[in-house]
Amino acid sequence: NAGVTQTPKFQVLKTGQSMTLQCAQDMNHEYMSWYRQDPGMGLRLIHYSVGAGITDQGEVPNGYNVSRSTTEDFPLRLLSAAPSQTSVYFCASSPLGTYNEQFFGPGTRLTVL
Amino acid sequence: LAKTTQPISMDSYEGQEVNITCSHNNIATNDYITWYQQFPSQGPRFIIQGYKTKVTNEVASLFIPADRKSSTLSLPRVSLSDTAVYYCLVVVYNTDKLIFGTGTRLQVFP
Repeated sequence: NAGVTQTPKFQVLKTGQSMTLQCAQDMNHEYMSWYRQDPGMGLRLIHYSVGAGITDQGEVPNGYNVSRSTTEDFPLRLLSAAPSQTSVYFCASSPLGTYNEQFFGPGTRLTVL
Repeated sequence: LAKTTQPISMDSYEGQEVNITCSHNNIATNDYITWYQQFPSQGPRFIIQGYKTKVTNEVASLFIPADRKSSTLSLPRVSLSDTAVYYCLVVVYNTDKLIFGTGTRLQVFP
């Protein structure tokens, strides 16, 4: 199993550009989520999904969109990038249900100029 | 949601036992306590989880007193490779959401 994969590893954008961060998992997990981590800080939840076709907002959803058309994929879209979105983005997945271990991807480091 | 408080940083030497304590005064009856480890430039990794008393796995032990308002992660005989940030989280019943604090940065010296 590849686990949770994220692409790209690094990305530089200009203010106002849009892009999609990709996340995929091959463990047939229902639950998937996106976090951002700013320097020296803990992770903050952006959006999450409990299954295909179902998404919901986390702590910091503004400026981001998600969709979940398949169990495997959970892309994160930046609509109009801003310097405040410079961060490292992590995707995670787990089986549905409380208390399950979550598996994190390697992250995407995004810089917005 | 139960907020967690843990030390910002800790130092240790190779071979020592390290105990990181976390307080979670507002934990609810059905909430669990879970700990994740994060190395630089990597995503967090699950270490251990528990509800009460003591849980042990091949990596660590987790001690939770009867009132469950705190918990202690114990790492036996740390090595340089245990240098990382350790996050204490309360997992709220009936939700998969993880709420991270700032964690404890553990530095292990030779």
